[in-house]
Amino acid sequence: AQKVTQAQTEISVVEKEDVTLDCVYETRDTTYYLFWYKQPPSGELVFLIRRNSFDEQNEISGRYSWNFQKSTSSFNFTITASQVVDSAVYFCALSEARVEDNYGQNFVFGPGTRLSVLP
Amino acid sequence: DTAVSQTPKYLVTQMGNDKSIKCEQNLGHDTMYWYKQDSKKFLKIMFSYNNKELIINETVPNRFSPKSPDKAHLNLHINSLELGDSAVYFCASSQDGRGYQPQHFGDGTRLSIL
Repeated sequence: AQKVTQAQTEISVVEKEDVTLDCVYETRDTTYYLFWYKQPPSGELVFLIRRNSFDEQNEISGRYSWNFQKSTSSFNFTITASQVVDSAVYFCALSEARVEDNYGQNFVFGPGTRLSVLP
Repeated sequence: DTAVSQTPKYLVTQMGNDKSIKCEQNLGHDTMYWYKQDSKKFLKIMFSYNNKELIINETVPNRFSPKSPDKAHLNLHINSLELGDSAVYFCASSQDGRGYQPQHFGDGTRLSIL
């Protein structure tokens, strides 16, 4: 069965600090997909990134970077030079591949990490 | 234009009532979902429809009934509302439900049972 763990329930940092949000997953599939979503105080869920299980290249997008390590089943998210607007709950999610005639991916979300960036 | 829209945004009602939440997506996606987010922010899938067909039905009380009149709409009807139904309900869609596709979420409907 799939499982996503985000051990950090809440993190507080001061603006301009770097912060890393941890995500550890469990799956028996060899093909799977990992996602990060952001939920700001306004409540909507915003898609940030997707990573395939067969692509371990790290990714950087502006102040955001993601470190995927299959050996430790982790997909960590780092925000560099954090800003107050980064304050949100961040969710890591896992989706397993489906057979061709059985659509309906089952996203499993982690419990989320609440990040507070203080001015 | 909003990609996935849910109405209403807030729903306050009394125990025992029946209520519906509507969801529409204009992304041309084939697959739609309903999620429940509890007070601790935990997100759990409830239902998934692909092209109007039910694909995933997690262990949800049968007081909850999804209805998909067409692939752009997935409504959620809840009978005999209970206090434990208080939560934020999110609708989402993805292109055709394959594992690699991100899901796009609506803004959520906050349901409060008095």
